[in-house]
Amino acid sequence: KAGVTQTPRYLIKTRGQQVTLSCSPISGHRSVSWYQQTPGQGLQFLFEYFSETQRNKGNFPGRFSGRQFSNSRSEMNVSTLELGDSALYLCASSLGQGVQYFGAGTRLSVL
Amino acid sequence: QKEVEQDPGPLSVPEGAIVSLNCTYSNSAFQYFMWYRQYSRKGPELLMYTYSSGNKEDGRFTAQVDKSSKYISLFIRDSQPSDSATYLCAMSDSGGSNYKLTFGKGTLLTVNP
Repeated sequence: KAGVTQTPRYLIKTRGQQVTLSCSPISGHRSVSWYQQTPGQGLQFLFEYFSETQRNKGNFPGRFSGRQFSNSRSEMNVSTLELGDSALYLCASSLGQGVQYFGAGTRLSVL
Repeated sequence: QKEVEQDPGPLSVPEGAIVSLNCTYSNSAFQYFMWYRQYSRKGPELLMYTYSSGNKEDGRFTAQVDKSSKYISLFIRDSQPSDSATYLCAMSDSGGSNYKLTFGKGTLLTVNP
């Protein structure tokens, strides 16, 4: 079974730009969660989608948004990028509770 | 008080040692307890998970959950240099509208040959 796939793996953007990250979950998984990982804050929850509906959202500004499509694939968008948005963005898929399986992440650098 | 506390280390041990990694938590609603291993510049890889209290063993790895003490542990027997990584504990409640994983900060482990 294929794992969680995230694209692109690396991104370099400048302040003020926007970015879209993509995630394809494990086949049959209807839940996709997004996390931001930084050295100082560790892994922080952004949001979770289940069957195209956002069920839960973390404490991030409205510049961070996401969506999920009918095939369970998900995208995350960050608008008006700031230097502090530089991080590893991780997507995880699950059946909707309990264990989550992570992708390799997208490393975003904001210059 | 943070919801999940984990000693960040770093922890350095010789090859063959028994390693003990621990986390404490404050949210009594947590039902699922997971350990992930993360190599540098990679995504977290699920190692072990336990539902509610008890022990679980998988090869050289043993996970323990003590819900009465709000304390979880991961033991690695006969540690190998390939075990060198950051180990993250994670927890979640039963799901639904509050579903998310809450992570510890991670413990950096180095196993020296």
